[in-house]
Amino acid sequence: SAVISQKPSRDICQRGTSLTIQCQVDSQVTMMFWYRQQPGQSLTLIATANQGSEATYESGFVIDKFPISRPNLTFSTLTVSNMSPEDSSIYLCSVITGVGGNTIYFGEGSWLTVV
Amino acid sequence: QKEVEQDPGPLSVPEGAIVSLNCTYSNSAFQYFMWYRQYSRKGPELLMYTYSSGNKEDGRFTAQVDKSSKYISLFIRDSQPSDSATYLCARPWGGKLIFGQGTELSVKP
Repeated sequence: SAVISQKPSRDICQRGTSLTIQCQVDSQVTMMFWYRQQPGQSLTLIATANQGSEATYESGFVIDKFPISRPNLTFSTLTVSNMSPEDSSIYLCSVITGVGGNTIYFGEGSWLTVV
Repeated sequence: QKEVEQDPGPLSVPEGAIVSLNCTYSNSAFQYFMWYRQYSRKGPELLMYTYSSGNKEDGRFTAQVDKSSKYISLFIRDSQPSDSATYLCARPWGGKLIFGQGTELSVKP
């Protein structure tokens, strides 16, 4: 298994500000992902964090709003920029690991409330 | 049609009951599925994964895939109040996960 630490675990943010979420994994992993879970909803993939290159964003998500860094195989950051109340969500880091790369784990999540 | 569909519930059962949680999927080529449990304001926790058809058992949990009907099920025996959570089925694709909507389960003492 993989131990995934996310910071901050929760925060209250002012409208118009930006916040960076950190994801640290206890082992090197090839693939890291960022998900969003809005209140009462399921998880939606934001992007794949690629080590050494630009992230790959899913439809509806753009780099200007959600810039992502992946400086090495154990760490990634997601920034939520120019926040509005609609960005109030849990943001989750995910990694794929295991034999054959067939097990996907999640961090505890970062709960952001935008006021 | 969504790739993976799940009844959001909520589902409320008495302690000790057998719980059946279900998902349907749209593409018969899908063979690999996962079940996650998510407690309130926590990240999803991997419960089980299944491949192709048949059953997979782990303690009180049994995962079942019926390819003929494109149906995925998770059974919980002797349910406990600590099983109260949202259960999500998911299909992996290239390391990403396509989730169902999640079913909220409440087990009453």
